[in-house]
Amino acid sequence: DTAVSQTPKYLVTQMGNDKSIKCEQNLGHDTMYWYKQDSKKFLKIMFSYNNKELIINETVPNRFSPKSPDKAHLNLHINSLELGDSAVYFCASSPGTGRRTNTQYFGPGTRLTVL
Amino acid sequence: SQKIEQNSEALNIQEGKTATLTCNYTNYSPAYLQWYRQDPGRGPVFLLLIRENEKEKRKERLKVTFDTTLKQSLFHITASQPADSATYLCALVRNAGGTSYGKLTFGQGTILTVHP
Repeated sequence: DTAVSQTPKYLVTQMGNDKSIKCEQNLGHDTMYWYKQDSKKFLKIMFSYNNKELIINETVPNRFSPKSPDKAHLNLHINSLELGDSAVYFCASSPGTGRRTNTQYFGPGTRLTVL
Repeated sequence: SQKIEQNSEALNIQEGKTATLTCNYTNYSPAYLQWYRQDPGRGPVFLLLIRENEKEKRKERLKVTFDTTLKQSLFHITASQPADSATYLCALVRNAGGTSYGKLTFGQGTILTVHP
């Protein structure tokens, strides 16, 4: 039983293309996140949604558009892909939004390579 | 500017010894600090959380300390085993810009290798 799942696991595409990554959690959590981990392994938050509402947006280019159709799903659409978008993207969920309840449960990651 | 540093990129120790990893921060006032383990090709897995008013937290062979005066957290693995080899990440938790929402900021990680 996978708690947080992402598809696809690998994504190789050309510059300028548009792509989407999907995330689903079956933990019953209210809050979901997207993180980016670059080649130096720094893990940085991009977005957070709580009950389908955007609550954190970390100055991410507007080519990145998250969408949460329901609280179990958070998708990430990326327009006009650039070389610098190559990274591993992690989806995560947490029971709540507060500092005491935001222990993160991460998905397996999606390795995006832009050629 | 705000900074989180995990003192070494890589740490090599012998099986059975205690591994000690350090997380230092500047210009933060975190309320909580979390530690995660990340294996190659996988997402991080939560290990321990410690609050600013707690000095120490333990879980089996793991121990975390949090010194808000020194602005430092230490993560110890006692009786280390080769299976403990992984990257360990610390994360500071504080409210995101004027909201009540907790936001995690991660260190760059320390790669621990335990040799048999």
